[in-house]
Amino acid sequence: DTAVSQTPKYLVTQMGNDKSIKCEQNLGHDTMYWYKQDSKKFLKIMFSYNNKELIINETVPNRFSPKSPDKAHLNLHINSLELGDSAVYFCASSQEAGGGTEAFFGQGTRLTVV
Amino acid sequence: RKEVEQDPGPFNVPEGATVAFNCTYSNSASQSFFWYRQDCRKEPKLLMSVYSSGNEDGRFTAQLNRASQYISLLIRDSKLSDSATYLCVVNTSMNRDDKIIFGKGTRLHILP
Repeated sequence: DTAVSQTPKYLVTQMGNDKSIKCEQNLGHDTMYWYKQDSKKFLKIMFSYNNKELIINETVPNRFSPKSPDKAHLNLHINSLELGDSAVYFCASSQEAGGGTEAFFGQGTRLTVV
Repeated sequence: RKEVEQDPGPFNVPEGATVAFNCTYSNSASQSFFWYRQDCRKEPKLLMSVYSSGNEDGRFTAQLNRASQYISLLIRDSKLSDSATYLCVVNTSMNRDDKIIFGKGTRLHILP
């Protein structure tokens, strides 16, 4: 059983398109995240949701819009894709804040914008 | 000062040697700390949590120094399979804002 699953695993698309990446966790966690890992391998937090409510929104362009239909899902929609959006996007989940909360990651979605 | 800083390496270490990494963090309110391991083109996976009193898991020892705001990871008797990127992770929870921040990672190459 995959604890955190995200789809698709690979996504190749043209500039200007709109695309979505889906993420689901079956761990019963309250908090979910999206991270972006760029070519330099730096994992940077983009969004954090707690019980479907946006908690963290780092300096991410408005073209990125997370949507959480329920606490087990956090999807990432990207409008008007740009070349610089090419990266690996990781979804993660953790128990609610309280200390000692490790994050469990999905396998990543490798987005290539051409 | 960056929130979480690590030496990017790479550390090229012969098999069987001992290697240590440090990681500094800027927020003194940070509450929990972890080391993750990331293999090439894979997702990060938890290696071990870091406890205030220090903790050991087999060949791996993690320590926390709150006064100096750093954590460390020591790997003894290194194996070829230890080659990976090691990510320092700091969790700061304030007002329901559960922020998990990753360092940029330290690349380790174990040489046969």
